[in-house]
Amino acid sequence: AQSVTQLDSHVSVSEGTPVLLRCNYSSSYSPSLFWYVQHPNKGLQLLLKYTSAATLVKGINGFEAEFKKSETSFHLTKPSAHMSDAAEYFCVVSRMEYGNKLVFGAGTILRVKS
Amino acid sequence: DVKVTQSSRYLVKRTGEKVFLECVQDMDHENMFWYRQDPGLGLRLIYFSYDVKMKEKGDIPEGYSVSREKKERFSLILESASTNQTSMYLCASSLRGGVQETQYFGPGTRLLVL
Repeated sequence: AQSVTQLDSHVSVSEGTPVLLRCNYSSSYSPSLFWYVQHPNKGLQLLLKYTSAATLVKGINGFEAEFKKSETSFHLTKPSAHMSDAAEYFCVVSRMEYGNKLVFGAGTILRVKS
Repeated sequence: DVKVTQSSRYLVKRTGEKVFLECVQDMDHENMFWYRQDPGLGLRLIYFSYDVKMKEKGDIPEGYSVSREKKERFSLILESASTNQTSMYLCASSLRGGVQETQYFGPGTRLLVL
């Protein structure tokens, strides 16, 4: 069964406009949720993580995400896109029933137009 | 800063060859992981290790084996490479194995099997 679904495989925005990357998860327990970013030909870098503390999580480079249990969502947002934000973004869940292993979404490629 | 290094960025091998991918981390992390990344599938866990000489299968272990003789080094072995193992391989490490643990990733090895 799919544990994490990224609703868009590609998102295109203009520089200076808001970014929204959508992620839904399925879980019987309180999960830990992460967003990772991968720039071309690079490894993955942690953007932010939710670990059952504050539901609004702030990350690096102006990104933030809000954990909404009622909607089982963990969408990633940024108020104003920059060209350097162009990358692939992965929503990730860590659950006890998976032995604390990470389960990755399929990824969303963000394109930023000048 | 945590540093995870992988021995090669690009590899080209022939079908049937034995292939070794090496990963080294410099932060005394207990856990190490090998993933493969394919377009549209996100990252899938091949094997992981929570201690020296300990290993556990991930979601797609078939055709792979691993070795962890020293804490800082985790090797992925393709016993007899096949074309369907052409992929990007990513190594990661984490301090411990809890639900909230952050995994740190290497830059990846892009393997082409001809």
